Amino acid sequence: AQRVTQPEKLLSVFKGAPVELKCNYSYSGSPELFWYVQYSRQRLQLLLRHISRESIKGFTADLNKGETSFHLKKPFAQEEDSAMYYCALSGYSNYQLIWGAGTKLIIKP
Amino acid sequence: DTGVSQDPRHKITKRGQNVTFRCDPISEHNRLYWYRQTLGQGPEFLTYFQNEAQLEKSRLLSDRFSAERPKGSFSTLEIQRTEQGDSAMYLCASSLKSAKEKLFFGSGTQLSVL
Repeated sequence: AQRVTQPEKLLSVFKGAPVELKCNYSYSGSPELFWYVQYSRQRLQLLLRHISRESIKGFTADLNKGETSFHLKKPFAQEEDSAMYYCALSGYSNYQLIWGAGTKLIIKP
Repeated sequence: DTGVSQDPRHKITKRGQNVTFRCDPISEHNRLYWYRQTLGQGPEFLTYFQNEAQLEKSRLLSDRFSAERPKGSFSTLEIQRTEQGDSAMYLCASSLKSAKEKLFFGSGTQLSVL
């Protein structure tokens, strides 16, 4: 079965501290993983894709097939990073994404 | 705003009534998706259109739910005989290529069934 698990519903860190949002997946093939973000009163939007191997807004995520993880990291959190973050998996289907329950990130001043 | 638009933003209805939601995707996007999201959960896939063809439908989707995209542009999602368990945010998204590419989401329609 395809599944995405985000173990933390809420993560609160101080500004300037490192951030790591955890994402674990279950999928027997070669997955494609995504992080989507929803800022307050805004739409859900793509943050980054693992195949792009890029850094967006200082965030990076590395696919670890051995640990079946795709954790999102940022070395120095900023207040504007406060948002809801969702990890998503594209597996067997080209058309649907399997989503985690999301982690609410709060950056304290 | 040239993004994905959804109407209405909020809908309150009584149990047993029918409701219909509309989604206007980004004009050049031929792929359109409907998702449902309940409190504390991530989006859950409902159905997918490529142009006017409905190519995939979740097995979780009750036969009370029907979606159309008659001319390959806007789409409607209808729920017949609504139940309290249908209360959720209904999200529409569109993309130029597959879901493995970037999805553009609308603001959603919040349905409350009393």
